[in-house]
Formats: sequence, C-alpha cells, structure tokens
Amino acid sequence: KNQVEQSPQSLIILEGKNCTLQCNYTVSPFSNLRWYKQDTGRGPVSLTIMTFSENTKSNGRYTATLDADTKQSSLHITASQLSDSASYICVVRPNRGGTSYGKLTFGQGTILTVHP
Amino acid sequence: DAGVTQSPTHLIKTRGQHVTLRCSPISGHKSVSWYQQVLGQGPQFIFQYYEKEERGRGNFPDRFSARQFPNYSSELNVNALLLGDSALYLCASSQGQNTGELFFGEGSRLTVL
Repeated sequence: KNQVEQSPQSLIILEGKNCTLQCNYTVSPFSNLRWYKQDTGRGPVSLTIMTFSENTKSNGRYTATLDADTKQSSLHITASQLSDSASYICVVRPNRGGTSYGKLTFGQGTILTVHP
Repeated sequence: DAGVTQSPTHLIKTRGQHVTLRCSPISGHKSVSWYQQVLGQGPQFIFQYYEKEERGRGNFPDRFSARQFPNYSSELNVNALLLGDSALYLCASSQGQNTGELFFGEGSRLTVL
C-alpha cells in the first residue's frame, strides 16, 4: 500500500484561479515532506521542503502547509498561470537515523491543467 | 553552474537488448540516485551510490545494475529489456548520502518495442 496518497488525481482550473492539492501520508515518523513540480517529460523540481516542526512554507505563489497530527499536507497555488500546468508530487522522507534517499516515498502526483 | 545532466534524453530499444544511461551530478555532489518513473506514477527508487559505493537498492531485478565513477558520474545498465522497462529514468544528486537537497535531472525516456 502506497504510504503517500495525493488528491485529486487531476484538476483543471482557469488561469488566474487558486487551487489546493492534498497529500495524506502514513509514513511515521517522518523527517521532512517535499513538494515537487514536474513538467511533462521533465525531471521534478523542488518547490518546498518542510520538517515535521514546520506548519507552512511559501515559495512565491506556492504555499505548502503541514499538519503532522493528521498527517496531511496541502499545496496552495495562488493566481494560477498557464505555466503551472504540470504534475505536483508529494514526497515524504522517513526519520530512521541515516535514512538514505532510497527510502523516500513518492506520491503518484496530481496533474494540474490551467486553461486560458 | 550546470545542473544534473543525463544522456541520452530519448532512446528506443527492442526487447532483449541492453541499455546504458548516464548521469553527471551537480559539481560537488557525491551522491547519485536512480529512479524509474512509469507514466502516471511517482518515481520508484532503483539505486543510490555515494562515494562510488552502492548505498541503497530498490525492489528491481538483477537485470538492473549501476556504478559510480571516481568523478561521481554514474551509469545505469539494464539488460534483457522488457516492454515494462519503458519509462522515464531519473537521476538525482545530492551533496551527502542522507543530507542536502535532492536535485533531479531531466531524465532519459526509454521506449522498449
């Protein structure tokens, strides 16, 4: 069972609108949670990284929130642009002393399409 | 500064052939990780190399192998290709084995016919 579940699977919005993507995880304990943006056929690019003690982290029009109690994270995109069309992937890293990057758990991604 | 570079960007192979994918990490990064991403799914971990030694291996068959060179570049080899090996192969580098931001390359798109 995938320990990182994202919703919705896909989302279509109009340019200029806001949207929120969800990430629920069961990985515990965890060290940090990352959100990546992946354009079609390209490599993922980091948007935010939060430790378990952080509640929110912003990067321009992207704001990630984290509730470690409910094991939920969200990525809020403000004033969407056509270039925001991409897959957004939530990644959780367990906290098991010296955990390698091989233990990162990736969600399946949310495909966002922004229409003019 | 150059980011993580991968080659080739696209390639087409037939079943039974083998393939070699190459990755150059960001200058100063000593760790390279390989991931397989099938269309519509998140990346799946294949290998991690740090200081030229294998430090982690995912749930992939022995047909998959990798190595890291003294300059920290890396190769991923896949033998006896199957149709199911068609995927985007991503390389990621970081400064340490477990520390530092993880930076991904653009990937190598492998199609097996």
